[in-house]
Amino acid sequence: GNSVTQMEGPVTLSEEAFLTINCTYTATGYPSLFWYVQYPGEGLQLLLKATKADDKGSNKGFEATYRKETTSFHLEKGSVQVSDSAVYFCALSDLPNAGKSTFGDGTTLTVKP
Amino acid sequence: GAVVSQHPSRVICKSGTSVKIECRSLDFQATTMFWYRQFPKQSLMLMATSNEGSKATYEQGVEKDKFLINHASLTLSTLTVTSAHPEDSSFYICSARDSWTTGETQYFGPGTRLLVL
Repeated sequence: GNSVTQMEGPVTLSEEAFLTINCTYTATGYPSLFWYVQYPGEGLQLLLKATKADDKGSNKGFEATYRKETTSFHLEKGSVQVSDSAVYFCALSDLPNAGKSTFGDGTTLTVKP
Repeated sequence: GAVVSQHPSRVICKSGTSVKIECRSLDFQATTMFWYRQFPKQSLMLMATSNEGSKATYEQGVEKDKFLINHASLTLSTLTVTSAHPEDSSFYICSARDSWTTGETQYFGPGTRLLVL
């Protein structure tokens, strides 16, 4: 079955530091890949996505590239802000699996001023 | 972008009572909605897939008689926690797929926090 493995947290960075959160996946087909962000007490918000190999998803300064050869979708941001503090979930979804999403365990990011 | 709402946002109930949670797609139609459960500091666990006009598909280990799902229209799915007990206390999140677009993007609701006393 499908699975997603995320870098364990928590991650604590200073403002303006470079962020990488690793994500690798296992899937039988050709899934779409997602990064979601969850702020305290709230639901999930789609941060970015990529639907095929070599696609790069980007939003709000965050980027992730769909790497089929390494089955990875690492999240990066060049300069984090305090407001980026949240839990980040990597996920995949594929139509052969009825469009269900498989989530990683989440990585808590804390950015200090 | 697509908006999904949930109601209520938080609810406290007594043990043994039933609680209904609504999930609505506000500006799109959704033939498929998903219900998740999230424990503190953990990931989302898929409970069931809700299909408009048909029975929900439950994941292994989820009691369908305890977590009743009804998807009566293209914009509304409900999850009813029957005879709730303290161990049912959790954060319940729904998501919906836009019926008119291809791909697997899901839009998530803001979640419902349930506390059973």
